[in-house]
Amino acid sequence: GEDVEQSLFLSVREGDSSVINCTYTDSSSTYLYWYKQEPGAGLQLLTYIFSNMDMKQDQRLTVLLNKKDKHLSLRIADTQTGDSAIYFCAESINDMRFGAGTRLTVKP
Amino acid sequence: EAQVTQNPRYLITVTGKKLTVTCSQNMNHEYMSWYRQDPGLGLRQIYYSMNVEVTDKGDVPEGYKVSRKEKRNFPLILESPSPNQTSLYFCASSPTGTGAYEQYFGPGTRLTVT
Repeated sequence: GEDVEQSLFLSVREGDSSVINCTYTDSSSTYLYWYKQEPGAGLQLLTYIFSNMDMKQDQRLTVLLNKKDKHLSLRIADTQTGDSAIYFCAESINDMRFGAGTRLTVKP
Repeated sequence: EAQVTQNPRYLITVTGKKLTVTCSQNMNHEYMSWYRQDPGLGLRQIYYSMNVEVTDKGDVPEGYKVSRKEKRNFPLILESPSPNQTSLYFCASSPTGTGAYEQYFGPGTRLTVT
């Protein structure tokens, strides 16, 4: 099947920007998503982008989509300790496929 | 409060002893799904259901069964659990199974099979 890939770990200092990257392989994906999982909890949708868009901004979050390279990124501006979590990239056509998740650690 | 509930939250069992993990949603969602989460592998879909009495295999269905007799409930059944089914399980639901759909996740069930 098609794979969604992300690096497993990212560590940043409080106040810096975080950039979490994701690559996907199915060019027919219509929607791409970012989910956040806090410790001991299920996943919560952060944001999503339709495949005909190349950027979406929502407060501190910026999603960039490069459809040619099948690359998706999530930028978190002014990262706070409360942003520490696992971030999952996902794509959907008829069902949803998740990456392995990137564990973001924010150091004070 | 709109939510997805799972029970039990934690379960330790022995190989071969049948078990059921329940999932219920109160949002009248058509689509429900089960995932397992393993370190380094992320979430992998086990089974999903587009509506009542409609279920389909996901990526890793072996060793699992599901049923969807009512819209709100989607139990996951392990007829003969094995240690490789030790994992964190999530149930999720969404209004529909196509398009831009937000999936609402339950809190997870941590299963250990010895």
